[in-house]
Formats: sequence, C-alpha cells, structure tokens
Amino acid sequence: QVQLQESGPGLVKPSQTLSLTCSVSGDSIRSGTFYWNWIRRSAGKGLEWIGRIYATGTTNYNPSLKTRVTISLDTSKNQFALSLRSVTAADTAVYYCARLYASDNDVTYYYGMDVWGQGTTVAVSS
Amino acid sequence: DIVLTQSPLSLPVTPGEPASISCRSTQSLLHSSGYNYLDWYVQKPGQSPQLLIYLGSYRASGVPDRFSGSGSGTDFTLKISKVEAEDVGIYYCMQALPTQVFTFGQGTKLDIK
Repeated sequence: QVQLQESGPGLVKPSQTLSLTCSVSGDSIRSGTFYWNWIRRSAGKGLEWIGRIYATGTTNYNPSLKTRVTISLDTSKNQFALSLRSVTAADTAVYYCARLYASDNDVTYYYGMDVWGQGTTVAVSS
Repeated sequence: DIVLTQSPLSLPVTPGEPASISCRSTQSLLHSSGYNYLDWYVQKPGQSPQLLIYLGSYRASGVPDRFSGSGSGTDFTLKISKVEAEDVGIYYCMQALPTQVFTFGQGTKLDIK
C-alpha cells in the first residue's frame, strides 16, 4: 500500500524559502508510472495545484507560482521536495503531496490523483 | 487558465436522498483522445482529499457505486444516488487537460440536514 507523508517546518518568515519533503513508501518514485504533485489549500483560495514532477525529472508548474517554485526528486531517499521562495502571508496554507497515476503525456493512461498525503500546515509569519 | 465553476456551493441533504453537484468549465475538457479530463475529489472533515471520479465518469477504486459522474465538454455533474452521513465533506471538481495547468472548482460543501 502506497503512502505519502509530508514533512517540514510549520512556520516560515516572510521573504524566506518554504521547503517541504514528501516521503513515499510502498512504491518507487523512479518507477516511471506516476507524476508526483504538490497541492495546497488556503482559506482564501481553496485547492491550488502547485506543480508536479515525473520520474524522468520533467516538471510542470502553475504559472502563478512558477518564478518561485522548484520541485525536485531525491531518488536515494525515495522522496520529492517542494521549494517555494520569497514567501508572503498569502502562502500560508495546508500543503499536500499527491500521486497522479498517469503516463508522461497524460494520454496513454490517466487515472487521477489516487494517493494523497495527510497534509502539513505552513504559516508564514514574522 | 481554465476556470471551473461549481454549483451549488452549499448543499444540505437529508440522508437517503439524492444529491447533485454541477461543474462548468470555461473551455472544453474533451480531449482528442475522446476522454473528458475532469476529476472529482472529496475532502472529508479532518482528512486529505480523496479521488472519487476520474476522466469524467470512471469511479476510482473502492468508491461506492452510489457515486457517479457524467457530462462532456464544458458541463459535468457528480451525483450521489442516496446520501449517507459519511458523505459529508467538500466536493471539488478538477480539470487535468494535458499541457494545461490543473485547476480546481471552488468546492461544494455537503452536509446533512
């Protein structure tokens, strides 16, 4: 059974970098079968997709965050990470990692975001 | 970006009664492959979101058959044939057209009367 677990600091100061990690158990992030995603839920905006990474390292980002976001893989630890730079109070949210069961072109096969982490709350405040 | 508009935003339902949520898109979600790239998720109180329906009408593994998704192009519907107490939560539609930014609807809060 695949499980995802987010980890990282719960409080980040404005203008600093928010760094989160998603640990994957029960599957290999190198398997080439899934996209690994970050999504957040804030009080003001509901669910917002941040971006995703494939086993090959190919990334896609939400344009609204693209200049500040990096998603990366750490295959040695079977983890993927989110880095969000220059944070403001608007980045306060619950951050989720999720597995998207889809081919790299989203067309050969697509089965939705079928596994989610429990979420981690991040507050941006001085 | 593609914008999804859900209605209603609040849905009080009597147990055993049916429920229906609409999701309308500003662009067609029908891909040249013939599939509609529209998913439904529910976030129950204290839990993370979970997948109900993918590609418009395909139930995810383990989802009860009282949930069904329908629609094509820009208009989609999630139906619950007989609401149970455990169905309380916020329901979201999400579009996942290839090469597009994934976007979610505002969410519909379902609760029990």
